[in-house]
Amino acid sequence: DAEITQSPRHKITETGRQVTLACHQTWNHNNMFWYRQDLGHGLRLIHYSYGVQDTNKGEVSDGYSVSRSNTEDLPLTLESAASSQTSVYFCASSDSGRASYNEQFFGPGTRLTVL
Amino acid sequence: GIQVEQSPPDLILQEGANSTLRCNFSDSVNNLQWFHQNPWGQLINLFYIPSGTKQNGRLSATTVATERYSLLYISSSQTTDSGVYFCAVSRGAQKLVFGQGTRLTINP
Repeated sequence: DAEITQSPRHKITETGRQVTLACHQTWNHNNMFWYRQDLGHGLRLIHYSYGVQDTNKGEVSDGYSVSRSNTEDLPLTLESAASSQTSVYFCASSDSGRASYNEQFFGPGTRLTVL
Repeated sequence: GIQVEQSPPDLILQEGANSTLRCNFSDSVNNLQWFHQNPWGQLINLFYIPSGTKQNGRLSATTVATERYSLLYISSSQTTDSGVYFCAVSRGAQKLVFGQGTRLTINP
């Protein structure tokens, strides 16, 4: 069965370190998204991609970067982790093959703690 | 940008009760999804429903796109229905905007 996976599921790091969170989908979806979930803010969009070599900034992109070298993967990098980036991170994907059908499917999430 | 408001923010019910959750959005959309976030944090897709009515077992949803709202109905609630229910919408470029969620607690 097609799925979307994230790794690691839990991560503890220190302020200032570079961290990369992995997202891998086997749906063969063109569109991939990264969200963060914080108490009081719901889920907010960090970055998104509509295909290989395409990346775009979302609502809360400062301090994060992504790259899309293939269809299956969209890694999220925190260049210099800050305590404000302690959060739960969700990756999602959707198929742009049919313009009228945009359902997004979510991975299990990564809980990141920055000390 | 689009604003999404969900109500009520919290709902506590006894097992067996029925409930209605509401999602209002501020602009026309071509995607509306309902999710259940379970106590383990997983986001479970419930409905993709930009318009019309759908049913899946004890759950059903209705979206009235012209009036910019959607309703999620849960009948004969079970303790496993507990969690947070999110409504999310997008327009054009597929970037979902989430509401703040409704926290549902079903007591045995």
